Amino acid sequence: AQRVTQPEKLLSVFKGAPVELKCNYSYSGSPELFWYVQYSRQRLQLLLRHISRESIKGFTADLNKGETSFHLKKPFAQEEDSAMYYCALRSNDYKLSFGAGTTVTVRA
Amino acid sequence: DTEVTQTPKHLVMGMTNKKSLKCEQHMGHRAMYWYKQKAKKPPELMFVYSYEKLSINESVPSRFSPECPNSSLLNLHLHALQPEDSALYLCASSQDLGSSREQFFGPGTRLTVL
Repeated sequence: AQRVTQPEKLLSVFKGAPVELKCNYSYSGSPELFWYVQYSRQRLQLLLRHISRESIKGFTADLNKGETSFHLKKPFAQEEDSAMYYCALRSNDYKLSFGAGTTVTVRA
Repeated sequence: DTEVTQTPKHLVMGMTNKKSLKCEQHMGHRAMYWYKQKAKKPPELMFVYSYEKLSINESVPSRFSPECPNSSLLNLHLHALQPEDSALYLCASSQDLGSSREQFFGPGTRLTVL
């Protein structure tokens, strides 16, 4: 069975400071990792996926299979980054499992 | 149309009622999903449909009955629910079940069971 762990429930940073959201996973197969984000009063939406190796809204995430991690990083946080962030793992049987989520607050 | 829509937005029902939740997408997606989200918790997968056929049932109690009448519609029929079934029910869709497919989520139906 797969498991996704986000150790930080809450994360508060100042505008312009770096932000890193931790995500660790446990899965015996070849994982597909995602970060989903939910802004206030908006629906859950995809932020990025490991296979794309892209930067979205300044965020990047690298899959580290040795450390079984997929941490989300942004060098300079903006106020509009305040949101709930979920790390998610898709297993080979098509199931998407979410971590508990991290609420990020960016203060001016 | 690039959105997943869900109706109703809110639903209050008694334990003896029968009601249905509706989800619709017109993006040509062939995979659709139901999730349950309790307050301050992440979404939990309930059902997955692929090409209108049920692919995954995550051991959901039979008082929840999904239906996919066509490729654009997904229903969740509710009967004899319990107060602990009160939650936000999210629908999602993706192009298909291929790898790394993005799931597009609806806004959810907030269900209260009295």
